[in-house]
Amino acid sequence: QVQLQESGPGLVKPSQTLSLTCTVSGGSISSGGYYWSWIRQHPGKGLEWIGYIYYSGSTYYNPSLKSRVTISVDTSKNQFSLKLSSVTAADTAVYYCARVVSPAHFDYWGQGTLVTVSS
Amino acid sequence: DIQMTQSPSSLSASVGDRVTITCRASQSISSYLNWYQQKPGKAPKLLIYAASSLQSGVPSRFSGSGSGTDFTLTISSLQPEDFATYYCQQSYSTPPVTFGQGTRLEIK
Repeated sequence: QVQLQESGPGLVKPSQTLSLTCTVSGGSISSGGYYWSWIRQHPGKGLEWIGYIYYSGSTYYNPSLKSRVTISVDTSKNQFSLKLSSVTAADTAVYYCARVVSPAHFDYWGQGTLVTVSS
Repeated sequence: DIQMTQSPSSLSASVGDRVTITCRASQSISSYLNWYQQKPGKAPKLLIYAASSLQSGVPSRFSGSGSGTDFTLTISSLQPEDFATYYCQQSYSTPPVTFGQGTRLEIK
């Protein structure tokens, strides 16, 4: 059973960089066959896809966030990470990591972590 | 980007009811349509992928249909645990992945 767990600060100051890590257990990122994704949900709102990464490092980002987003992978730790720069209050959301089955549906999700942007 | 529009945005129903939720894409997406269920404070759960394929472990009272631009999620007999928010998501033209705005299913 694949499990994903997000970790990182729950509070980030405006203009700083939000950094989160997703640790995968029960399966190896480097075995291939899946992309690994970040998705967020603003309080009381719908789901917004941020981007995804393959174990090789190939990435795809939402054009609306592309200038501020970096997703990276560390296969030795079976983790992938999200960095979102120059955050504002509009980036306050629950951030989820998820596994992507081709072409693009999400079959395993982390529990989500709330990140609040505030001074 | 492909826009996904769900209807209704919310609905009230009773245990045992048959419920249908609709999702419309702004252009044809063949059968590349997925459905998720989300309960408060929890991550979304995949119910249906490729328009009509039931994800492993999901009860058979859930079914999906449609192709092109119009899709439906049907719950044949509502159970108490089915009251949640449901999202559709297209996987035809990615990136970007896009979701519908959600349909909140409430107890009548």
